[in-house]
Amino acid sequence: GQNIDQPTEMTATEGAIVQINCTYQTSGFNGLFWYQQHAGEAPTFLSYNVLDGLEEKGRFSSFLSRSKGYSYLLLKELQMKDSASYLCAVIRTGRRALTFGSGTRLQVQP
Amino acid sequence: KAGVTQTPRYLIKTRGQQVTLSCSPISGHRSVSWYQQTPGQGLQFLFEYFSETQRNKGNFPGRFSGRQFSNSRSEMNVSTLELGDSALYLCASSFTSGRALGTDTQYFGPGTRLTVL
Repeated sequence: GQNIDQPTEMTATEGAIVQINCTYQTSGFNGLFWYQQHAGEAPTFLSYNVLDGLEEKGRFSSFLSRSKGYSYLLLKELQMKDSASYLCAVIRTGRRALTFGSGTRLQVQP
Repeated sequence: KAGVTQTPRYLIKTRGQQVTLSCSPISGHRSVSWYQQTPGQGLQFLFEYFSETQRNKGNFPGRFSGRQFSNSRSEMNVSTLELGDSALYLCASSFTSGRALGTDTQYFGPGTRLTVL
């Protein structure tokens, strides 16, 4: 089976940096996605990692360690609009189904 | 390029009824996946279609079914609705370039919020 864990809630201050962790256990790992979801809206794609290392995209970066089954999403220069749920999802070789973690609800405070 | 569209956006049904939801993928995308999102279970995979064929199926009862048309548009149907079927139903499309599987990003539509009374 698959198991994906991420913290339920996090709070951070506007302008700061926050790291959201995700650990997973799965066979046939073929990539990890991060999505952002504002309340009442659809998930929006943020990043995709399949090889070890850091992928940087503006204020957002995502890191993957396949040997440790670990990823994190780093958000820099936090803005109020970054208050949302952040979903970690894993895809397995030969399948197109994304398996999602339960999501981390991030609250950015002034 | 227009994003994934889903209709209707909101739906209220009663137990025992059936419902059909529609999804139009991003132009050029051939793969359509459906997910159910609830507060208790989170986002769960229902099924995926490509070239009018169901390629993957999640762990849902047979009351949940779907299909895909030649223009890649997809529908999902839920028969004999139960209270527990109340959820946000999300459709996602991906290009499926023929490269290694799993490398095509899925883009989500706004969802259909189904309430079963």
